[in-house]
Amino acid sequence: QKEVEQDPGPLSVPEGAIVSLNCTYSNSAFQYFMWYRQYSRKGPELLMYTYSSGNKEDGRFTAQVDKSSKYISLFIRDSQPSDSATYLCAMIVIQGAQKLVFGQGTRLTINP
Amino acid sequence: GAVVSQHPSRVICKSGTSVKIECRSLDFQATTMFWYRQFPKQSLMLMATSNEGSKATYEQGVEKDKFLINHASLTLSTLTVTSAHPEDSSFYICSGLIAQETQYFGPGTRLLVL
Repeated sequence: QKEVEQDPGPLSVPEGAIVSLNCTYSNSAFQYFMWYRQYSRKGPELLMYTYSSGNKEDGRFTAQVDKSSKYISLFIRDSQPSDSATYLCAMIVIQGAQKLVFGQGTRLTINP
Repeated sequence: GAVVSQHPSRVICKSGTSVKIECRSLDFQATTMFWYRQFPKQSLMLMATSNEGSKATYEQGVEKDKFLINHASLTLSTLTVTSAHPEDSSFYICSGLIAQETQYFGPGTRLLVL
């Protein structure tokens, strides 16, 4: 079993829809949770990060963490074609090597 | 967010030659940098952790003699692919660590070995 599971998609939705992206994890020691967006042939761009259970909002993006269920989500409201990208969840244990553990990434397409 | 640059953005080389990729943190000091490689439609695979002034720590299965990492300053880390072969063709991405948990990634370097 992978430490972080993420549905690779692809996921295709119409413009304006609410998008829900999810990851589950097995290591209860993970302390920080991130979402990265990666456009084709580019490096990942940090969208959001959080360390506590609950919701964190930034513009059209909301990150949700449920540590009891080991489940995190990213919601995108009013999705735009420019949101089309691969979204990667990532998690980290602070102590020790500080290595990010990535999900497989979900390919998202927003259709105009 | 913090800015990390990589140079070159893409490189084509002949089999057997060596290629150096630079990773720079432009607006912060990165005591720790990471090197990843990414194959098409796959997630990032960590190759090594680079700490300024010390030897890099390589992930299992990554040949340290083939992928030479130097982190001589707080803003520059380099990855040299020695005696490159076609199977080394990939997308190489670096990141710089801020605080204890946040990594900012470079734009990546696409390597094609002929």
